[in-house]
Order: sequence, then structure tokens, then C-alpha cells
Amino acid sequence: GAVVSQHPSWVICKSGTSVKIECRSLDFQATTMFWYRQFPKQSLMLMATSNEGSKATYEQGVEKDKFLINHASLTLSTLTVTSAHPEDSSFYICSASLPGLARETQYFGPGTRLLVL
Amino acid sequence: GENVEQHPSTLSVQEGDSAVIKCTYSDSASNYFPWYKQELGKRPQLIIDIRSNVGEKKDQRIAVTLNKTAKHFSLHITETQPEDSAVYFCAASIYSTLTFGKGTMLLVSP
Repeated sequence: GAVVSQHPSWVICKSGTSVKIECRSLDFQATTMFWYRQFPKQSLMLMATSNEGSKATYEQGVEKDKFLINHASLTLSTLTVTSAHPEDSSFYICSASLPGLARETQYFGPGTRLLVL
Repeated sequence: GENVEQHPSTLSVQEGDSAVIKCTYSDSASNYFPWYKQELGKRPQLIIDIRSNVGEKKDQRIAVTLNKTAKHFSLHITETQPEDSAVYFCAASIYSTLTFGKGTMLLVSP
């Protein structure tokens, strides 16, 4: 149980284009999903917290107009990197938490590696 | 906000030895402390967790201890095996938001 998928696993795009990444909870309903960014040999940095049906909460320093997050259903959250630039190249990972008493536990998706040329 | 320090950044051990990774946190309101294992290019996998009302938890070769007074928690791996080689992250949670340590690269040599 508690399986999270992400799509795509790899994406290469030209500078200035937009990229959408999907995060799905496959066998449970996730009221909360999280988006992280991880640069090589570094830790996971929380970008935003996404709650179903409401606006995402962004961490300090994360541009909400650049990283658009939509959580339209209990099993799907999307992250759109708008007007991507080479410095946005990174490993983007989503996670989802179980509802109820186990809500602190986060299960991670396999990640999306973004390369912006 | 919460700040999590993790040591050491790298740890090399011989197969069969024990490995210990230590973390400290700053916010006494943190109440949940998971440990994740991440292999190169893959997702973080939850290996063990502990809540603030518990001092120690064990799962086969892995154990975690928590000292709330000192605000530190540790991961202990006994009888290490080469497949334990990976990056390990500790984290502290306040209101379901995780703050991660910088990670420890564990290398277990045969």
C-alpha cells in the first residue's frame, strides 16, 4: 500500500518552455501532497504543500507564479514549471501523506529529472 | 522554522560493523522523526520512524533512539551489509511538514 507515482520520470526541454509533472497516489486518497526539489548531492528542499481543493502553500523563496501547483482531486497533484531556465534543472519529487492519524508519514514518488537546455 | 543538523556527512564501515548517524533538531514542537534511505537516482524510502512519545524503536537490524530533552535522535544499523550503502536522511516534522537533514552517505565495504 501507499504507492505514489510520478510522470514523467525524465524530461528535457528548451529554455522558456513550460513543463508539467504529475503526482498520483495509486492506492489511497491523499488530502495533502508535497513537492520537493533536490539538487545533486543535496538534501530534499520543500517547495510547497498542496491540499486538495485549495491553494498551495509555498515555502519562502519559492516563486508561486513560476511553480504552479494544482491539486484538483484526492489522488492527483500537478507541478508546472513555467518558462523554465537552466537553473531550474533539478530532481523534483512529490510525496503524499495518508489521512488521519498517520498523516505525518510521507510516501515519495520516484521523482522527475528535469533538464532545461 | 525548524532546523535539522545531521552528522556525519559520510560514513565508511566494513561489512558486519555497526553504523550510527546522529541528528539534532531545533524546535521542541517537532513530534515525528522519520528516517529515509535514498539510493542513487531513486526515491527516498521510509526505513523507520519514531514519535515524540517514544524513546526507542527497533526493526530487525535498524533502531532509532530519541532524546527529547536534548533534541537529538539517532539511527543505528547493526551487522551492516553492502546493500545498506546509500544516502540516509533524517527529518523532523511539525504539523506534518518535514524538514530534512543534509544526509549521510553510508558506504559498506565487503
